[in-house]
Amino acid sequence: GAGVSQTPSNKVTEKGKYVELRCDPISGHTALYWYRQSLGQGPEFLIYFQGTGAADDSGLPNDRFFAVRPEGSVSTLKIQRTERGDSAVYLCASSLIATANTEAFFGQGTRLTVV
Amino acid sequence: RKEVEQDPGPFNVPEGATVAFNCTYSNSASQSFFWYRQDCRKEPKLLMSVYSSGNEDGRFTAQLNRASQYISLLIRDSKLSDSATYLCVVKSYSGAGSYQLTFGKGTKLSVIP
Repeated sequence: GAGVSQTPSNKVTEKGKYVELRCDPISGHTALYWYRQSLGQGPEFLIYFQGTGAADDSGLPNDRFFAVRPEGSVSTLKIQRTERGDSAVYLCASSLIATANTEAFFGQGTRLTVV
Repeated sequence: RKEVEQDPGPFNVPEGATVAFNCTYSNSASQSFFWYRQDCRKEPKLLMSVYSSGNEDGRFTAQLNRASQYISLLIRDSKLSDSATYLCVVKSYSGAGSYQLTFGKGTKLSVIP
């Protein structure tokens, strides 16, 4: 079966532009996470969805960042007025259910470069 | 103090060596613990879960000490293919049915022929 799919794999955008990053989780997985990873750092939590709702958005750095998951499967991370500091790899992960011990599977990420 | 701390390395070891990675976490209410492996420019992948009783998977042994809030990973008989960054991950309940995975910065391992 297919794993977590993220598109695009690479995105270069100009400062100030709007971008959307897409995540297609493993079919049937109800829990979905977004993370951001800068060079030499571990992944940093952004937002968690359980089904359609954002159960925890405490990691979103500011109001330029927003994410949706309208039908409980595909999720889109939206970044407005991009800044050079937003450049990073954006990782999406999904897990079957939200329990303490379930494994999270990661997509290959979207490498965002803001120039 | 960071929530999950790891020695960033790099650890450069010869093939066949035994190497140990350490990790500490600050949230005493954390519920589950993992080691993930991340190859260069790839996504993190689960290596193994970590249990209080300790667990072993082939050449890999993971230990958890809840009292000290300390996690370890031991790799025996290192192979060239073990070269990667090893991420310590702690899962905590953050309310309303939500679990948050918190990652350390990772420890880079290079196994040298």
